[in-house]
Amino acid sequence: GQQLNQSPQSMFIQEGEDVSMNCTSSSIFNTWLWYKQDPGEGPVLLIALYKAGELTSNGRLTAQFGITRKDSFLNISASIPSDVGIYFCAGQHRNYGGSQGNLIFGKGTKLSVKP
Amino acid sequence: DGGITQSPKYLFRKEGQNVTLSCEQNLNHDAMYWYRQDPGQGLRLIYYSQIVNDFQKGDIAEGYSVSREKKESFPLTVTSAQKNPTAFYLCASSRNGDRGSYEQYFGPGTRLTVT
Repeated sequence: GQQLNQSPQSMFIQEGEDVSMNCTSSSIFNTWLWYKQDPGEGPVLLIALYKAGELTSNGRLTAQFGITRKDSFLNISASIPSDVGIYFCAGQHRNYGGSQGNLIFGKGTKLSVKP
Repeated sequence: DGGITQSPKYLFRKEGQNVTLSCEQNLNHDAMYWYRQDPGQGLRLIYYSQIVNDFQKGDIAEGYSVSREKKESFPLTVTSAQKNPTAFYLCASSRNGDRGSYEQYFGPGTRLTVT
């Protein structure tokens, strides 16, 4: 099936640092979503993006829908310990005929605290 | 409080047995989904249902079955034909028909271990 390339795979953060991660695709998406998953729990929706170029914030989180519609990034400013977890991007494009396509997920970026 | 519930949180079964995972939502969402998550992997779609009494295979439907007799409920059966059933199973739901239908909301997950 179609793949989303999410990077980095993992990163270590120190409290107060800014964090950046991104997702790229070989095809165009109409929607980008960003989720956070804590260990043993279901993903929680952080930000939804619907328009190329759109920049949306949710507290210390900011996400952008790339102009080419093939990428998206998520920034976390001034990280805190509870930011630790796995962040997933998910994209959706319309199927032929305009019907709703299913979400395609990246493999995740794992945020850990610097030892 | 609206949300999605999955039960049980942990499930253990012997090889060769069928097992059914429960998913209930009171968000009045039309669409429901089942995903499988393996360590270091993104979410892979097993089955989805856009309306009651209708469901479609996802990318990895072999060895699984579902039913959608009620809007609120979408149980998943892991059959003995599933070759590698041990995984974390996530249920999700979304609205249909408008922009918000792309936003899927997840339950807390069921961790299935088959020995």
